[in-house]
Amino acid sequence: EAQVTQNPRYLITVTGKKLTVTCSQNMNHEYMSWYRQDPGLGLRQIYYSMNVEVTDKGDVPEGYKVSRKEKRNFPLILESPSPNQTSLYFCASSFSPGNTEAFFGQGTRLTVV
Amino acid sequence: LAKTTQPISMDSYEGQEVNITCSHNNIATNDYITWYQQFPSQGPRFIIQGYKTKVTNEVASLFIPADRKSSTLSLPRVSLSDTAVYYCLVGDPRGAAGNKLTFGGGTRVLVKP
Repeated sequence: EAQVTQNPRYLITVTGKKLTVTCSQNMNHEYMSWYRQDPGLGLRQIYYSMNVEVTDKGDVPEGYKVSRKEKRNFPLILESPSPNQTSLYFCASSFSPGNTEAFFGQGTRLTVV
Repeated sequence: LAKTTQPISMDSYEGQEVNITCSHNNIATNDYITWYQQFPSQGPRFIIQGYKTKVTNEVASLFIPADRKSSTLSLPRVSLSDTAVYYCLVGDPRGAAGNKLTFGGGTRVLVKP
């Protein structure tokens, strides 16, 4: 089954404790991205990757890092999480950059206290 | 991506047809119209995409007039499980690298018994 898998689904952590949210897709998609969704602000893109070893900033990249060492994986790293990074995070993939038919993961609800 | 405007919310009843209209006055020649559905705490799910006239799949129909400045998503005979937020997006599926999906506020559809 074609899917984008994120882990964990839920995470509560403390300020400053490094964490990684994993994302994996099994569709051999070139393009992957991370979004955060906050009430009243909608979905905002954090980072995206056009292919292996090619990543770039989205609209709200501050406080986040990503890597793309393999085509299928695109982890999101919070080196020093802060409470304003409490949000619902989604990973997405599509066949190519700009392709408007994207597949989204189930989401990771992160709470930073 | 062209800006879109859609109603904030709509109520309906089980068994009725729901029509959501999206305005996209600045749609470009190569842009397609794409609709996503999002249930609470889940990632958006691609529903349908079209360029002109009418597109139908097992979930919905998409009607696009000749001037393409608007489009209407039609959900036939809705059930309670169709309660969700529906997003209209406009963009070129073969777009430039880094062309991200821009989700507006969406239309919150509530289906009542």
